[in-house]
Amino acid sequence: LAKTTQPISMDSYEGQEVNITCSHNNIATNDYITWYQQFPSQGPRFIIQGYKTKVTNEVASLFIPADRKSSTLSLPRVSLSDTAVYYCLVVGLSGYSTLTFGKGTMLLVSP
Amino acid sequence: DAGVIQSPRHEVTEMGQEVTLRCKPISGHDYLFWYRQTMMRGLELLIYFNNNVPIDDSGMPEDRFSAKMPNASFSTLKIQPSEPRDSAVYFCASSARGEQFFGPGTRLTVL
Repeated sequence: LAKTTQPISMDSYEGQEVNITCSHNNIATNDYITWYQQFPSQGPRFIIQGYKTKVTNEVASLFIPADRKSSTLSLPRVSLSDTAVYYCLVVGLSGYSTLTFGKGTMLLVSP
Repeated sequence: DAGVIQSPRHEVTEMGQEVTLRCKPISGHDYLFWYRQTMMRGLELLIYFNNNVPIDDSGMPEDRFSAKMPNASFSTLKIQPSEPRDSAVYFCASSARGEQFFGPGTRLTVL
């Protein structure tokens, strides 16, 4: 199982860049990395997904080093509305049986 | 599309009663997932279906829990008999082999 480890919580201020790192030492060759965001009283929402190097979309960037044993979600210039729980997942092409969200990282953005 | 629909949104019941949670996935999605979220354990995958067939139910806590998907547009998660420790938010999600789309969840309270 490609178990993931990420910080329980992080604090930031409006306008700052936030980087959340996730460790996945046992990632398999065919696995890819996915990040979700969850606001209170809502279900998780997909943010970004990648296999290697760097992926960027309108919301975030995902950095994956060559060994793929970790990944970093980067949120540029956060705002109060980015306060949420962020989950790192490793998903295999063979199915979802190893999928686990866990407790994620609680990001608190202050004024 | 209205997204993933779950009902009821809130359920309060007494210990020993049967509870049935319902989910309508997004049309065209061939994967359906049931999750449970608690403060202690985070977001856990209970079971998932592919083309209406249960693929992995290893996350189902015990025999009191059962899930069915009689057709591509409907699934149920049943708890019988319910216990106070089953109190949690239950999410349904659907996918077309990639990003998962979550419903709003059902908050279950067992007294």
